[in-house]
Amino acid sequence: KAGVTQTPRYLIKTRGQQVTLSCSPISGHRSVSWYQQTPGQGLQFLFEYFSETQRNKGNFPGRFSGRQFSNSRSEMNVSTLELGDSALYLCASSLRGAGYEQYFGPGTRLTVT
Amino acid sequence: QQQVKQSPQSLIVQKGGISIINCAYENTAFDYFPWYQQFPGKGPALLIAIRPDVSEKKEGRFTISFNKSAKQFSLHIMDSQPGDSATYFCAASMKFGNEKLTFGTGTRLTIIP
Repeated sequence: KAGVTQTPRYLIKTRGQQVTLSCSPISGHRSVSWYQQTPGQGLQFLFEYFSETQRNKGNFPGRFSGRQFSNSRSEMNVSTLELGDSALYLCASSLRGAGYEQYFGPGTRLTVT
Repeated sequence: QQQVKQSPQSLIVQKGGISIINCAYENTAFDYFPWYQQFPGKGPALLIAIRPDVSEKKEGRFTISFNKSAKQFSLHIMDSQPGDSATYFCAASMKFGNEKLTFGTGTRLTIIP
C-alpha cells in the first residue's frame, strides 16, 4: 500500500497571504489528522477529520481550517499568514482515529517571509 | 492534564548498548501510548505502541515498558545501532472522546561507534 502523501513538500509564502496544503491518506483510511511541528512548540494537534466531518480541533486560531473530501483526501488552509506559522505541517492517517495506529506523511515545510 | 513529559532531551549511547527514554503522563483517560521515530526531513514513523492492559510489549530490538500505577512508560532499544540515531517521540491518546495524539517533547538519540 502506498503511504501518506502530502503536497507540496516545500512552500515559501509572504506574510498576509494564504496557503492550502493537501494530504492523501493511505487507501482505506477514513481518519486524517493534521499536526504542526516547530522547534519551540514541538508537535501540536490542529484538527482531525473522519468521513468528511471534523471530529476534533486543537487550540489554533480560526485562520487555520481544513476539510475532507468523500475520497478521504484532506486539505488544510491557513489564511493571513504570520511569520510564526513557519513550520512543518504533518498529516497522519488512520483506519479508525487517533486512538489507534496513525501513520504520518513526510510533511509540508512552510516558510513565511 | 493533557501533558506528556519526556526525558531525557538528548541521549548518547555507545553502539551495542541499551537506549532508554522515559515518558510520564497525567491524564488517566489516556489508553493508547505509541512511540514514533523521526529522521531529519522525514515525518514521524510509528515504531511500537502499547495499551494499558499489558505491562510490556516487545518488537525486535524495541520494547515498551508500561507502569499504569506510576503513569509512566518507557522505550528500550536493545543493541543500539548507528542507524537508530534519530529523534524519538512518545505520545498518548484516547480511543473515545478527545481523540488526538498528545506528544512528548522528543529525545534526540545519538549512537556512537
